[in-house]
Amino acid sequence: KAGVTQTPRYLIKTRGQQVTLSCSPISGHRSVSWYQQTPGQGLQFLFEYFSETQRNKGNFPGRFSGRQFSNSRSEMNVSTLELGDSALYLCASTNTGFGTDTQYFGPGTRLTVL
Amino acid sequence: TQLLEQSPQFLSIQEGENLTVYCNSSSVFSSLQWYRQEPGEGPVLLVTVVTGGEVKKLKRLTFQFGDARKDSSLHITAAQPGDTGLYLCAGAPESGGYQKVTFGTGTKLQVIP
Repeated sequence: KAGVTQTPRYLIKTRGQQVTLSCSPISGHRSVSWYQQTPGQGLQFLFEYFSETQRNKGNFPGRFSGRQFSNSRSEMNVSTLELGDSALYLCASTNTGFGTDTQYFGPGTRLTVL
Repeated sequence: TQLLEQSPQFLSIQEGENLTVYCNSSSVFSSLQWYRQEPGEGPVLLVTVVTGGEVKKLKRLTFQFGDARKDSSLHITAAQPGDTGLYLCAGAPESGGYQKVTFGTGTKLQVIP
Protein backbone atom coordinates (compact mmCIF):
# COMPACT_ATOMS: atom_id res chain seq x y z
CA LYS A 1 0.00 0.00 0.00
CA ALA A 2 1.30 3.46 -0.82
CA GLY A 3 1.80 5.72 2.17
CA VAL A 4 0.38 9.14 2.86
CA THR A 5 1.57 11.68 0.33
CA GLN A 6 1.69 15.43 0.70
CA THR A 7 2.30 18.09 -1.91
CA PRO A 8 4.16 20.28 -2.23
CA ARG A 9 7.05 19.29 0.06
CA TYR A 10 8.40 22.84 0.31
CA LEU A 11 6.75 26.20 -0.11
CA ILE A 12 7.90 29.78 0.29
CA LYS A 13 5.30 32.53 0.54
CA THR A 14 5.19 36.14 1.67
CA ARG A 15 3.04 37.70 4.36
CA GLY A 16 -0.55 38.31 3.29
CA GLN A 17 -0.60 35.60 0.65
CA GLN A 18 -2.65 32.45 0.88
CA VAL A 19 -1.58 28.85 0.44
CA THR A 20 -3.20 25.48 -0.26
CA LEU A 21 -1.62 22.21 0.81
CA SER A 22 -2.70 18.78 -0.36
CA CYS A 23 -2.79 15.37 1.31
CA SER A 24 -3.62 11.97 -0.17
CA PRO A 25 -4.33 9.37 2.53
CA ILE A 26 -3.59 5.68 2.44
CA SER A 27 -6.05 3.91 0.17
CA GLY A 28 -9.15 2.95 2.16
CA HIS A 29 -8.54 5.44 4.96
CA ARG A 30 -11.43 7.85 5.41
CA SER A 31 -10.09 10.07 8.19
CA VAL A 32 -7.51 12.76 7.52
CA SER A 33 -6.09 14.95 10.27
CA TRP A 34 -3.87 17.98 9.90
CA TYR A 35 -1.18 19.11 12.34
CA GLN A 36 1.16 22.07 12.59
CA GLN A 37 4.64 21.37 13.92
CA THR A 38 6.96 24.15 15.12
CA PRO A 39 10.06 24.03 17.34
CA GLY A 40 8.37 26.18 19.97
CA GLN A 41 4.88 24.69 20.11
CA GLY A 42 5.51 21.11 19.04
CA LEU A 43 2.85 19.15 17.20
CA GLN A 44 -0.55 20.82 17.37
CA PHE A 45 -3.82 19.48 16.01
CA LEU A 46 -5.54 21.66 13.40
CA PHE A 47 -8.60 19.68 12.28
CA GLU A 48 -9.87 16.29 11.17
CA TYR A 49 -12.07 15.37 8.23
CA PHE A 50 -14.06 12.17 7.88
CA SER A 51 -16.25 11.39 4.89
CA GLU A 52 -16.00 14.98 3.64
CA THR A 53 -17.12 16.46 7.00
CA GLN A 54 -15.03 18.26 9.57
CA ARG A 55 -15.38 16.18 12.71
CA ASN A 56 -12.81 17.74 15.05
CA LYS A 57 -11.18 21.12 15.24
CA GLY A 58 -8.21 22.40 17.17
CA ASN A 59 -7.63 25.84 18.56
CA PHE A 60 -6.51 27.74 15.47
CA PRO A 61 -7.89 30.94 13.93
CA GLY A 62 -10.37 30.90 11.08
CA ARG A 63 -7.59 31.68 8.60
CA PHE A 64 -6.91 27.96 8.71
CA SER A 65 -9.48 25.91 6.86
CA GLY A 66 -9.72 22.61 5.11
CA ARG A 67 -11.87 20.31 3.09
CA GLN A 68 -12.05 16.70 2.05
CA PHE A 69 -13.11 15.29 -1.26
CA SER A 70 -15.15 12.17 -2.01
CA ASN A 71 -11.95 10.20 -2.69
CA SER A 72 -10.75 11.13 0.85
CA ARG A 73 -8.02 13.44 -0.44
CA SER A 74 -7.83 16.55 1.68
CA GLU A 75 -6.62 20.10 1.29
CA MET A 76 -5.89 22.73 3.88
CA ASN A 77 -5.83 26.42 3.18
CA VAL A 78 -4.21 29.24 5.10
CA SER A 79 -5.26 32.74 4.15
CA THR A 80 -3.52 36.04 4.95
CA LEU A 81 -0.28 34.35 5.90
CA GLU A 82 1.66 35.59 8.92
CA LEU A 83 5.32 35.04 9.77
CA GLY A 84 4.25 32.76 12.63
CA ASP A 85 2.60 30.38 10.18
CA SER A 86 6.03 29.14 9.13
CA ALA A 87 5.98 25.49 10.14
CA LEU A 88 5.94 21.89 9.02
CA TYR A 89 2.37 20.91 8.18
CA LEU A 90 1.69 17.22 8.58
CA CYS A 91 -1.33 15.21 7.63
CA ALA A 92 -2.18 11.80 9.02
CA SER A 93 -4.73 9.23 7.94
CA THR A 94 -6.57 6.45 9.72
CA ASN A 95 -9.46 4.22 8.77
CA THR A 96 -12.01 5.15 11.43
CA GLY A 97 -10.48 8.23 13.04
CA PHE A 98 -10.76 6.91 16.61
CA GLY A 99 -8.34 8.69 18.92
CA THR A 100 -6.56 5.43 19.73
CA ASP A 101 -6.09 4.46 16.07
CA THR A 102 -2.60 4.35 14.65
CA GLN A 103 -2.10 7.51 12.65
CA TYR A 104 -0.02 7.22 9.49
CA PHE A 105 1.74 10.47 8.80
CA GLY A 106 2.91 11.93 5.55
CA PRO A 107 6.35 13.56 5.17
CA GLY A 108 4.89 17.02 5.61
CA THR A 109 4.93 20.32 3.75
CA ARG A 110 7.55 22.78 4.96
CA LEU A 111 6.02 26.27 4.70
CA THR A 112 8.22 29.33 5.04
CA VAL A 113 6.56 32.74 5.26
CA LEU A 114 8.81 35.72 4.50
CA THR B 1 -6.45 21.05 27.92
CA GLN B 2 -4.34 17.97 28.47
CA LEU B 3 -0.61 18.73 28.49
CA LEU B 4 2.18 16.23 28.09
CA GLU B 5 5.63 17.32 29.19
CA GLN B 6 8.62 15.38 27.97
CA SER B 7 12.08 15.39 29.50
CA PRO B 8 14.76 15.88 28.66
CA GLN B 9 14.12 18.19 25.74
CA PHE B 10 17.49 17.40 24.14
CA LEU B 11 19.85 14.50 24.63
CA SER B 12 23.22 13.91 23.01
CA ILE B 13 24.93 10.65 23.94
CA GLN B 14 27.65 8.33 22.71
CA GLU B 15 26.86 5.09 20.92
CA GLY B 16 26.44 2.26 23.41
CA GLU B 17 25.07 4.37 26.26
CA ASN B 18 21.65 3.84 27.85
CA LEU B 19 19.03 6.55 28.17
CA THR B 20 15.52 7.17 29.47
CA VAL B 21 12.96 9.66 28.18
CA TYR B 22 10.01 10.68 30.34
CA CYS B 23 6.50 11.77 29.43
CA ASN B 24 4.43 13.29 32.24
CA SER B 25 0.97 14.75 32.65
CA SER B 26 -1.53 15.61 35.35
CA SER B 27 -4.27 14.05 33.20
CA VAL B 28 -5.25 10.41 32.92
CA PHE B 29 -5.06 8.85 29.47
CA SER B 30 -6.83 5.80 28.12
CA SER B 31 -3.69 4.86 26.23
CA LEU B 32 -0.34 6.34 25.35
CA GLN B 33 1.59 6.13 22.11
CA TRP B 34 5.25 6.70 21.35
CA TYR B 35 6.37 7.96 17.95
CA ARG B 36 9.79 8.57 16.39
CA GLN B 37 10.27 11.25 13.78
CA GLU B 38 13.35 11.44 11.60
CA PRO B 39 14.41 14.61 9.77
CA GLY B 40 12.30 15.27 6.70
CA GLU B 41 9.72 12.66 7.64
CA GLY B 42 6.48 12.43 9.59
CA PRO B 43 6.24 10.65 12.95
CA VAL B 44 6.07 6.86 12.89
CA LEU B 45 4.30 4.93 15.62
CA LEU B 46 6.59 2.75 17.75
CA VAL B 47 4.21 1.37 20.36
CA THR B 48 0.88 1.85 22.13
CA VAL B 49 0.51 1.08 25.85
CA VAL B 50 -2.97 0.69 27.24
CA THR B 51 -2.94 -0.79 30.74
CA GLY B 52 -1.57 0.98 33.81
CA GLY B 53 1.82 -0.54 34.70
CA GLU B 54 2.17 -2.14 31.27
CA VAL B 55 5.67 -2.74 29.95
CA LYS B 56 6.36 -3.35 26.27
CA LYS B 57 9.67 -4.15 24.61
CA LEU B 58 10.69 -3.46 21.05
CA LYS B 59 14.22 -4.80 20.57
CA ARG B 60 16.40 -2.40 22.59
CA LEU B 61 13.50 -0.08 23.45
CA THR B 62 11.43 -0.60 26.61
CA PHE B 63 8.21 1.35 27.12
CA GLN B 64 6.35 1.62 30.41
CA PHE B 65 2.93 3.12 31.20
CA GLY B 66 2.55 4.49 34.71
CA ASP B 67 0.25 2.73 37.14
CA ALA B 68 -2.07 5.76 37.23
CA ARG B 69 -1.95 6.13 33.41
CA LYS B 70 -0.64 9.69 33.72
CA ASP B 71 2.94 9.13 32.68
CA SER B 72 5.19 6.94 30.60
CA SER B 73 8.86 6.28 29.99
CA LEU B 74 10.97 5.07 27.11
CA HIS B 75 14.29 3.39 27.88
CA ILE B 76 16.83 2.68 25.16
CA THR B 77 19.62 0.21 25.88
CA ALA B 78 22.94 0.48 24.06
CA ALA B 79 21.86 3.37 21.83
CA GLN B 80 22.91 3.32 18.19
CA PRO B 81 23.20 6.14 15.62
CA GLY B 82 20.04 4.80 13.97
CA ASP B 83 18.11 5.74 17.12
CA THR B 84 18.71 9.42 16.39
CA GLY B 85 15.49 11.35 15.97
CA LEU B 86 12.67 13.18 17.70
CA TYR B 87 10.71 11.03 20.15
CA LEU B 88 7.11 12.04 20.79
CA CYS B 89 4.62 10.66 23.25
CA ALA B 90 0.91 11.09 22.58
CA GLY B 91 -1.96 10.49 24.99
CA ALA B 92 -5.47 9.46 24.04
CA PRO B 93 -8.15 11.07 26.24
CA GLU B 94 -10.16 8.96 28.68
CA SER B 95 -13.35 10.10 27.02
CA GLY B 96 -12.32 8.12 23.97
CA GLY B 97 -14.24 8.31 20.75
CA TYR B 98 -12.95 10.46 17.96
CA GLN B 99 -11.05 12.95 20.10
CA LYS B 100 -7.49 13.17 18.93
CA VAL B 101 -4.39 12.33 20.89
CA THR B 102 -2.42 15.14 22.50
CA PHE B 103 1.25 15.13 21.56
CA GLY B 104 4.04 15.76 24.01
CA THR B 105 6.67 18.45 23.69
CA GLY B 106 9.21 16.01 22.20
CA THR B 107 12.71 14.78 23.03
CA LYS B 108 15.40 15.26 20.41
CA LEU B 109 17.95 12.46 20.64
CA GLN B 110 21.35 12.46 18.97
CA VAL B 111 23.50 9.34 19.18
CA ILE B 112 27.11 10.01 18.26
CA PRO B 113 29.09 7.16 16.67
